Amino acid sequence: QKEVEQNSGPLSVPEGAIASLNCTYSDRGSQSFFWYRQYSGKSPELIMFIYSNGDKEDGRFTAQLNKASQYVSLLIRDSQPSDSATYLCAQRVDTGRRALTFGSGTRLQVQP
Amino acid sequence: GAGVSQSPSNKVTEKGKDVELRCDPISGHTALYWYRQSLGQGLEFLIYFQGNSAPDKSGLPSDRFSAERTGGSVSTLTIQRTQQEDSAVYLCASSLMGGGDIQYFGAGTRLSVL
Repeated sequence: QKEVEQNSGPLSVPEGAIASLNCTYSDRGSQSFFWYRQYSGKSPELIMFIYSNGDKEDGRFTAQLNKASQYVSLLIRDSQPSDSATYLCAQRVDTGRRALTFGSGTRLQVQP
Repeated sequence: GAGVSQSPSNKVTEKGKDVELRCDPISGHTALYWYRQSLGQGLEFLIYFQGNSAPDKSGLPSDRFSAERTGGSVSTLTIQRTQQEDSAVYLCASSLMGGGDIQYFGAGTRLSVL
């Protein structure tokens, strides 16, 4: 079992809809979670990070963390065609190594 | 510079040759990471440098891979006797310890081994 699991997609939503991206993880020691957006052929760029249970909102983006159920999600409201990209979920266990463990990513397509 | 800089952006090499990939982190960032991303896959951790501490090499896939970081800044990832399975995008990231460890990525080096 991979440490961080994501549905590869593609997830297709119409413009203006809410896109919901989900990620599950296996390591209960995981403390920090990150969502990166990666356009085709480009490097990952940070969208959100979350450390505490609950919701964290930033503009059109909301990250949700549920440590008891070991999942983290990213909601994108009012989806735009420019949101079409691969979204990578990453975790960090805050002991020892500081590197991130990434999921394989979910490809999002926002249809105009 | 304003961001993480990597060079070259593309590298085509023949099987068996050695290659060197360079990363110049964001000024002042003490932590530096190398990841590898194969086509359609997530990022795979390779190696991590933090200040003057011994690097965490636990992600290096074989002894053909090595990396160094000179003067706490620029890093070079070396792959000896390249194999076709080494073909991937090699990404470098840096972070400022204590600032939530947010990692900022460079544009990557696309390595193609023929």
